[in-house]
Amino acid sequence: EVQLVESGGGLVKPGGSLRLSCAASGFTFSSYSMNWVRQAPGKGLEWVSSISSSSSYIYYADSVKGRFTISRDNAKNSLYLQMNSLRAEDTAVYYCARDQLGQDYMDVWGKGTTVTVSS
Amino acid sequence: SYELTQPPSVSVSPGQTARITCSGDALPKQYAYWYQQKPGQAPVLVIYKDSERPSGIPERFSGSSSGTTVTLTISGVQAEDEADYYCQSADSSEKVFGGGTKLTVL
Repeated sequence: EVQLVESGGGLVKPGGSLRLSCAASGFTFSSYSMNWVRQAPGKGLEWVSSISSSSSYIYYADSVKGRFTISRDNAKNSLYLQMNSLRAEDTAVYYCARDQLGQDYMDVWGKGTTVTVSS
Repeated sequence: SYELTQPPSVSVSPGQTARITCSGDALPKQYAYWYQQKPGQAPVLVIYKDSERPSGIPERFSGSSSGTTVTLTISGVQAEDEADYYCQSADSSEKVFGGGTKLTVL
């Protein structure tokens, strides 16, 4: 079964850091581009970052550029999001999502992990 | 970056046809994709490349494109279709979502 499982969410103070992980299984992780997408409470979906299969191409939304770093370890079938200088507006459910091969849409999503930034 | 605009809400009675639009200047050049999200759940892809339906998605879901507007059509709406629907597109290095449309089945 194709599966993505996020972890690492929690409560953090403004200015703090957090590292999210996404464990992939049931498919050849190293062949797929991956994404992080977030959803603030009661709000819509917001794309955060993408990374290509070999980490050659990395993109960020303007709202997180310079503060968040996406990475992956294909040997461990894992995707990561290092979040620094966190702000209240980063509070959201963070989803890991797989790009369909060679496409710009996300065909597999995890259940999400919740990040709360509050003092 | 560019924007995708959706109506905040659409309401239909069971058995009727729901149409949800998504507008954006890049849509004549880029494909649109549609996701369904029910409360407390992750999004699910329901339409890709403007009008293609993934396996497992009911035939009552369809998509179309005309100029700067794409449309998700749900024919014969059922109570289980009540959800938030998001369009998404991509422009070179970034992905963009519309603001979402809440579909209410009366």
